[in-house]
Amino acid sequence: GAVVSQHPSRVICKSGTSVKIECRSLDFQATTMFWYRQFPKQSLMLMATSNEGSKATYEQGVEKDKFLINHASLTLSTLTVTSAHPEDSSFYICSASQEGHTQYFGPGTRLTVL
Amino acid sequence: GENVEQHPSTLSVQEGDSAVIKCTYSDSASNYFPWYKQELGKRPQLIIDIRSNVGEKKDQRIAVTLNKTAKHFSLHITETQPEDSAVYFCAAGGNEKLTFGTGTRLTIIP
Repeated sequence: GAVVSQHPSRVICKSGTSVKIECRSLDFQATTMFWYRQFPKQSLMLMATSNEGSKATYEQGVEKDKFLINHASLTLSTLTVTSAHPEDSSFYICSASQEGHTQYFGPGTRLTVL
Repeated sequence: GENVEQHPSTLSVQEGDSAVIKCTYSDSASNYFPWYKQELGKRPQLIIDIRSNVGEKKDQRIAVTLNKTAKHFSLHITETQPEDSAVYFCAAGGNEKLTFGTGTRLTIIP
């Protein structure tokens, strides 16, 4: 149980385009989903927390207009990187929790912006 | 906010020996402390967790200890095997949000 999927696994796009990443909890209803960013050989940096049906809570320094998060259902959250630039290239990972604290991670999306 | 420090950043141990990774946290309100294992290019996998009402928890070769007074917790891996090689992250949290440590790259030497 507690399987989280993420799509796409890898995306390459041109500078200035927008990219949408989907995060799904496959076998449980996720009351909360989290979006992280991970640079090579670095830790997981929380970008935002989203609860189904409400606006996401962004961490300090994360531009909410650039990283749009939608959590429309208990099994799906999306992250849209708008007007992507090379410095947005990174590994984006979502996680989902059903109750309490345990977070289960998706496989991640490697974004490369040319 | 919460601040989590993790040491060491790299650790090499001989196969069969034990490995210990230590973390400290700053927010006394944190009450949940998971440990994740991440292999290269893969997702973090929860390997063990502990809540603040418990001082120690063990699962086969893996154990975690928590000292709330000192605000530190540790991961212990005994009888290490080559497949234990990975990056390990500690985390601390309360109310679901987690703050992660900087990670420890563990290498098991055959």
